[in-house]
Amino acid sequence: AQSVAQPEDQVNVAEGNPLTVKCTYSVSGNPYLFWYVQYPNRGLQFLLKYITGDNLVKGSYGFEAEFNKSQTSFHLKKPSALVSDSALYFCAVRDRDDYKLSFGAGTTVTVRA
Amino acid sequence: NAGVTQTPKFQVLKTGQSMTLQCAQDMNHNSMYWYRQDPGMGLRLIYYSASEGTTDKGEVPNGYNVSRLNKREFSLRLESAAPSQTSVYFCASSERWDRVFELFFGSGTQLSVL
Repeated sequence: AQSVAQPEDQVNVAEGNPLTVKCTYSVSGNPYLFWYVQYPNRGLQFLLKYITGDNLVKGSYGFEAEFNKSQTSFHLKKPSALVSDSALYFCAVRDRDDYKLSFGAGTTVTVRA
Repeated sequence: NAGVTQTPKFQVLKTGQSMTLQCAQDMNHNSMYWYRQDPGMGLRLIYYSASEGTTDKGEVPNGYNVSRLNKREFSLRLESAAPSQTSVYFCASSERWDRVFELFFGSGTQLSVL
């Protein structure tokens, strides 16, 4: 069975400060990992994905994520947060040998001006 | 580009009523999905269609049926709505289910079952 944990329900940061959203995963094989963002009253939008290769993945809107196999983590980061980054963020994982994409419960990010 | 379009955006049903959620995509994607989103639980897959003409159950299929009408359209039907089906429903599509393509989501349907 595969699963995703987002240990923080909420993350609050000041604009201009670094933003980190944590994600750990569990799969039986090798993972594909994703981050999605959901703005209010909208569907989820793809941010970035890890397939293989470089552990640091760069995505949309200045976000990046680091794959750490030993810690089974895939934390999302942004060096300088914007108020417009306030949204709900979902981490998702898929085993390479399975079709199913499992989502975490989501982390609400609030960036204050 | 419209992307993935869902209708309706909001719906209130009484227990036992039926309804169909409609979804259409204009990206020529092969695979389509229906998810439900509940607070604190993330998104859970209800049904998916790997390609036109096929449908399969996901994690939480009970109480739902689907139809892949053609390559563009994938509908979700609640035959006899229950309060446990109160949720936000998202349709999504991807180029193929068996490759690592990202999902494209519709804007969702907020359903309340009284």
